[in-house]
Amino acid sequence: AQKITQTQPGMFVQEKEAVTLDCTYDTSDPSYGLFWYKQPSSGEMIFLIYQGSYDQQNATEGRYSLNFQKARKSANLVISASQLGDSAMYFCAMREPFARNAGNMLTFGGGTRLMVKP
Amino acid sequence: DTEVTQTPKHLVMGMTNKKSLKCEQHMGHRAMYWYKQKAKKPPELMFVYSYEKLSINESVPSRFSPECPNSSLLNLHLHALQPEDSALYLCASSQGRGGRRSGNTIYFGEGSWLTVV
Repeated sequence: AQKITQTQPGMFVQEKEAVTLDCTYDTSDPSYGLFWYKQPSSGEMIFLIYQGSYDQQNATEGRYSLNFQKARKSANLVISASQLGDSAMYFCAMREPFARNAGNMLTFGGGTRLMVKP
Repeated sequence: DTEVTQTPKHLVMGMTNKKSLKCEQHMGHRAMYWYKQKAKKPPELMFVYSYEKLSINESVPSRFSPECPNSSLLNLHLHALQPEDSALYLCASSQGRGGRRSGNTIYFGEGSWLTVV
């Protein structure tokens, strides 16, 4: 069974500084995908970044980058130059193994609440 | 703005009511999903539709009834709910069964906040 772990329930960061949100995973499937989502208090789940298990390079999307360490089974999200609008809940998620995957089902970690201080 | 649209944004219903949540996407995606999210918890999968057919039901009680009228629409019919069913209901969509090297990103809507009284 797959498992996603986010060990930081909450984090503070000063505006304009960088922050790293941790995510570790466990799977026996050699092919998997890892996602990060942002969820503001409004409820919408906003896609941020994706990393495939076969991708050779770490994914980047604007101020977001994913520090993918396959041997350690970690996929940490790095947000550079934090902004007040980055305050939200952040979820790491893994796509279910293809054997059971009729679509692209996700298993989520417990989430990290990020608070950006002015 | 999200390309997955959910209505209504907020819904309050009694335990004897029948109501529906609606979801629409125009990205040409062939897989659609319903997730349930309780406060301070991650989303949990309820149903998966793949090419308009129900492919996964995660042992959801029958008081929740999904429907996929066409490839763009997904409904969740609600009947005889309990107060513990109060939650944020998230609809999502993706291209479908992705290749092993494809991202096949799953896009979510803004959610429908449901309160059962």
